[in-house]
Amino acid sequence: GEDVEQSLFLSVREGDSSVINCTYTDSSSTYLYWYKQEPGAGLQLLTYIFSNMDMKQDQRLTVLLNKKDKHLSLRIADTQTGDSAIYFCAESISQAGTALIFGKGTTLSVSS
Amino acid sequence: DAGVIQSPRHEVTEMGQEVTLRCKPISGHNSLFWYRQTMMRGLELLIYFNNNVPIDDSGMPEDRFSAKMPNASFSTLKIQPSEPRDSAVYFCATQDRQNQPQHFGDGTRLSIL
Repeated sequence: GEDVEQSLFLSVREGDSSVINCTYTDSSSTYLYWYKQEPGAGLQLLTYIFSNMDMKQDQRLTVLLNKKDKHLSLRIADTQTGDSAIYFCAESISQAGTALIFGKGTTLSVSS
Repeated sequence: DAGVIQSPRHEVTEMGQEVTLRCKPISGHNSLFWYRQTMMRGLELLIYFNNNVPIDDSGMPEDRFSAKMPNASFSTLKIQPSEPRDSAVYFCATQDRQNQPQHFGDGTRLSIL
């Protein structure tokens, strides 16, 4: 079945790098996404990667995809207090009109 | 681009009352999704539409829940009668085509007393 797993919490110090990990089970995933949710707000798309790519970099964000192990990670360089939020990993699978399958989210806490 | 617009942002009502949540999708987006978010269960898909047609409503918890999309620019999620366990944040998201990112509204925080 479809399932996306994430660790629930991550705590880092300001200026350090953060790495948020995600595993998924459906090998037919076509795109994998990272969303950010700040308190009281909706989910904001951060970045996404097509399943035939290994890496995508966008400013402070680096996404790594290991398709063999079905493992996705999001690295945030030079983490700032404003990065404190819940980060959701999601996959879309290759069926017409299928919605995204979300993980339960990782709460990132950044201390100064 | 106005983004996905949901209303109301907050709703507090007594159990047994009818609740209607509204969503205006991004213009041109053909798919619309309703999600519910709670601490215990995380983000759950309730129902989604393609070109105004309901495709999968298997996530709708009970017959008390119904959703409509009468046209491409409007959708409603209705709960009748409401119960305290329906308290959650309800999100609407839209997508312009398959496998493209979904764009979320800011949600409706629903509290049933």
